[in-house]
Amino acid sequence: DVKVTQSSRYLVKRTGEKVFLECVQDMDHENMFWYRQDPGLGLRLIYFSYDVKMKEKGDIPEGYSVSREKKERFSLILESASTNQTSMYLCASIKSRGATNEKLFFGSGTQLSVL
Amino acid sequence: GNSVTQMEGPVTLSEEAFLTINCTYTATGYPSLFWYVQYPGEGLQLLLKATKADDKGSNKGFEATYRKETTSFHLEKGSVQVSDSAVYFCALSPISSGSARQLTFGSGTQLTVLP
Repeated sequence: DVKVTQSSRYLVKRTGEKVFLECVQDMDHENMFWYRQDPGLGLRLIYFSYDVKMKEKGDIPEGYSVSREKKERFSLILESASTNQTSMYLCASIKSRGATNEKLFFGSGTQLSVL
Repeated sequence: GNSVTQMEGPVTLSEEAFLTINCTYTATGYPSLFWYVQYPGEGLQLLLKATKADDKGSNKGFEATYRKETTSFHLEKGSVQVSDSAVYFCALSPISSGSARQLTFGSGTQLTVLP
């Protein structure tokens, strides 16, 4: 089965730090996503990428950027972390761009705390 | 726009009780509908899906029927187990979008099953 690996399970950072969250998938999926999960709000899409070096903004991109230099790796960057970015971050991938009927494969998440 | 509304949790049941988690949606056309489950400490994983009206998705004793007339996709299980304790997310993907970016999640429902 597809494996989506997020580099850290827990991360604690200070306000103003630059933060990198890494995600790797091992099944040659074209689409990769970054969501944040907050209680009562469900999952909100931050950014997604449908190909190497391609990216599109999701619903809440402010304060974030992304990088996709290789097909298997999708990084989320917090340029200057703030306390309101404390959240669970989930990476996901799906095989092809038009695969609206297929399932997303998720990583196990990174719980980020910004102090 | 598209939206998904789930019953608010948390839901607490005794083992072997009947479970219903309500989900209604708003979308144009004929979306695909999904239930994802998130066990403690893990990412989301697909539980079941339905791609057209009157389809029934089923998996692990859970069922949900795509009801176009009531725009609903309620999750049911006849007899829950302690191991079913998790957060459940309803989601939709508009079939006509051609982009996996359009997946919309509900806010999630926390289920706790007591022995």
